[in-house]
Amino acid sequence: AQSVTQLGSHVSVSEGALVLLRCNYSSSVPPYLFWYVQYPNQGLQLLLKYTSAATLVKGINGFEAEFKKSETSFHLTKPSAHMSDAAEYFCAVSAPNDYKLSFGAGTTVTVRA
Amino acid sequence: EAGVAQSPRYKIIEKRQSVAFWCNPISGHATLYWYQQILGQGPKLLIQFQNNGVVDDSQLPKDRFSAERLKGVDSTLKIQPAKLEDSAVYLCASSLSSYEQYFGPGTRLTVT
Repeated sequence: AQSVTQLGSHVSVSEGALVLLRCNYSSSVPPYLFWYVQYPNQGLQLLLKYTSAATLVKGINGFEAEFKKSETSFHLTKPSAHMSDAAEYFCAVSAPNDYKLSFGAGTTVTVRA
Repeated sequence: EAGVAQSPRYKIIEKRQSVAFWCNPISGHATLYWYQQILGQGPKLLIQFQNNGVVDDSQLPKDRFSAERLKGVDSTLKIQPAKLEDSAVYLCASSLSSYEQYFGPGTRLTVT
């Protein structure tokens, strides 16, 4: 079975500062990993995904994440936060050849002017 | 390309009443998912369809929840009777046999 744990339910950053959202996974098989963003009253949008190719994955809106097998981590980063990055972010995992996603509890990001 | 459509966007009912949600996936997407997202938690998969067949409904509370996808396109999720703990956002997603799922805006259900 696959699961993810997101460390920190709330993160507050200043505009222009680094955004770092933490995600650790547990999986009995090599995992596929995802980050989704959810803006208020909207559905989830895929930011990026790792599917066993390059370990450093670049996504939309300047976000990237690095798969580290030794640390069982898939942390999401963005060098410089914008006000528009305020949203809830979800890490998710699936097994290869299984499209079902297991989501973490989410991290809410607020950006201070 | 039109996204995943869901209706209604909001619904308030009393406990023991019934409710139904509708989802229209992206045209051509064979796989359709229903998720339940309780406040403060990540989405939890309720049921997955491939065309009009059920692939996985292991987490669907079948004593009160039902779902169907007639003709492999639109889908309906029903709750009967509703309980207070069913208050959540119900998300529909679809995919074209890939790992990228496209989500609708969700239906926010409040059970009083």
